[in-house]
Formats: sequence, structure tokens, C-alpha cells
Amino acid sequence: NAGVTQTPKFQVLKTGQSMTLQCAQDMNHEYMSWYRQDPGMGLRLIHYSVGAGITDQGEVPNGYNVSRSTTEDFPLRLLSAAPSQTSVYFCASSYVATNEKLFFGSGTQLSVL
Amino acid sequence: GQQLNQSPQSMFIQEGEDVSMNCTSSSIFNTWLWYKQDPGEGPVLLIALYKAGELTSNGRLTAQFGITRKDSFLNISASIPSDVGIYFCAGQEFDSSNTGKLIFGQGTTLQVKP
Repeated sequence: NAGVTQTPKFQVLKTGQSMTLQCAQDMNHEYMSWYRQDPGMGLRLIHYSVGAGITDQGEVPNGYNVSRSTTEDFPLRLLSAAPSQTSVYFCASSYVATNEKLFFGSGTQLSVL
Repeated sequence: GQQLNQSPQSMFIQEGEDVSMNCTSSSIFNTWLWYKQDPGEGPVLLIALYKAGELTSNGRLTAQFGITRKDSFLNISASIPSDVGIYFCAGQEFDSSNTGKLIFGQGTTLQVKP
């Protein structure tokens, strides 16, 4: 059972480039979310989804887009990367939207130069 | 939005020592959680607390849900090298559509000297 799979593990971008961070889960979870982790800031919610076709903004959504076309996949798109988006990104899922037991992927370390 | 203050920010202890960390909030939560992040990995749930005053253990870990519902504590007894990592507290809040969101503390980085 793979759980939550994130790709790539590492990525370096130049300012202004775009890219998509991939996230897939094989647990049939309804709820999926993206967090960013910065030193001294903990984990901050970027976007989340309570089911296929439904997405909403979290605490720090600016500069990011998401879509949820299937239950399994929840990609995060950076439209025009900025140095402030240098961070470690985590995808997390749970069985239902009220479930506090999040399962996290192993993260994507992104550097924007 | 709500903010959680977690302390201490970091700890460097000797193997075998006990560890205590805590988390406070400006607002109440109905659920408090403690996660651990091993180096290079995503956080993993350690303990979930659902009731004010609740004390729950998971092996050498013990967590408490504060009576005021604005704080929580985590204790680790007899630390071992594999306890190394970042410990996050989190409180769960619900929006108008009953979607639960976790608010995380800043994390406590624990290092254990063998």
C-alpha cells in the first residue's frame, strides 16, 4: 500500500517558471490538501479538496492553483514561481473532510532562484 | 486566522532524559493532535485528544488536552536516539461547511545525544 505519493522529491526553478507538483493517494480518501513548511512557521494550508471536482483555498493560496479531477490525484500548480515560494511542500489526505488523521506524503523540496 | 504557539522551538537532550513540550492557542479547539516528522519525511500522527482534561499515552509518549481547551502538552519519557525529529501540535477547527482544517504549531526540533 503506497499511501500518499509525491513527485518530484526535489526541484529547482528559475523565477517566472511554472511547474506542477504531483500528489496521488491510493486509499480512496475524500479529503486531500497541500501544505507548505517553512522554518519557524510550521505547516500552512495552501489549498484543499473535499472530493473530486471540489477545491477551496487555505491560509496561503496566492500563487498556487489546484484541481481535483479524480479521487486519487490532487496536483499543485505554480503559475509563475517566485523566490518566496521556496519551501518544502507536503500533500496530505484523510478519509473524510472531518477526519483529523491526516496521512502525509514525503514532501517536495522546491528552490526558486 | 488562529495561531498556535509551540515551545520550546528546539531541544538538545541526553539519551534517557525526559522531554516536555507544549502548545497554546488564543482560541479553543475541540481536538488537539500531536504529529512527529522524521528527517526527510512527512509528519505522522502520534496522539489525538478529543476531550478537555484527557490524558492519552502511546508507548513512552503521553499527551494531555488542557482544561481550558486552549493548550496541550506532550511528554516523552526516557528518550532514545530515534526520538529525533520535529514534533508538531495541531488543533482542528471546522468551517461553515463542516470541513475540518488543522492549524499547526511552529514545531519543536528534538535532538538526542547518545
